Amino acid sequence: QSALTQPASVSGSVGQSITISCSGSYYDIGAYEYVSWYQHHPGKVPKLVISGVRSRPSGVSDRFSGSKSGNTASLTISGLQPEDEAIYYCTSFTTSTTLVFGGGTRLTVL
Amino acid sequence: QVQLVESGGGVVQTGRSLRLSCAVSGFHFYNYVMHWVRQAPGKGPEWVACILSDGRTAYYADSVRGRATISRDTPQKALYLEIETLRVEDTAFYYCAKGTPGWSLDSWGQGTQVTVS
Repeated sequence: QSALTQPASVSGSVGQSITISCSGSYYDIGAYEYVSWYQHHPGKVPKLVISGVRSRPSGVSDRFSGSKSGNTASLTISGLQPEDEAIYYCTSFTTSTTLVFGGGTRLTVL
Repeated sequence: QVQLVESGGGVVQTGRSLRLSCAVSGFHFYNYVMHWVRQAPGKGPEWVACILSDGRTAYYADSVRGRATISRDTPQKALYLEIETLRVEDTAFYYCAKGTPGWSLDSWGQGTQVTVS
């Protein structure tokens, strides 16, 4: 159950777009369409922003989008806003019937 | 609205056991997979375990398999996690979370701190 690989940090200016990658394997991201993304502001509870690779839960801005290619998933945030500054985690269901998290990516909005 | 409230955390000696509870409200508890996730200081979250809506089928992370038991009480609308033979590396903030059919976690509790020393 190795953790998924995410970049430690990304940054972008207000209004720009950024993409966060989440790299896994054939046994997790590559096996299912069960990739999720969470936004975590320190001191608050993590918030689901993408489920099922590309679906947005009700209430999540359409500036958030998800995709997957092979064993790598991606989260794109367009039109960056100051409130998007947070830590983002990906998860994937695995062939062992477990969930695995990424290490997290700190997004800084300049 | 959906609410999940964890309790039972605290400071525990290595080798002892601990039972965490999660009281839920605001949704049909019996319909959903429920999860425990933990986050150690300075680290990313780690999925710990889940239990299906049948109340019998459970899955565990390698780090706790054989030492942990997840259970649920549908009439009481409560989720539990018991970890035996606690280790220092079990020190973390423990969250309960409501699952979706697509293995997402769409609602989280505020968490409870467990410190093993």
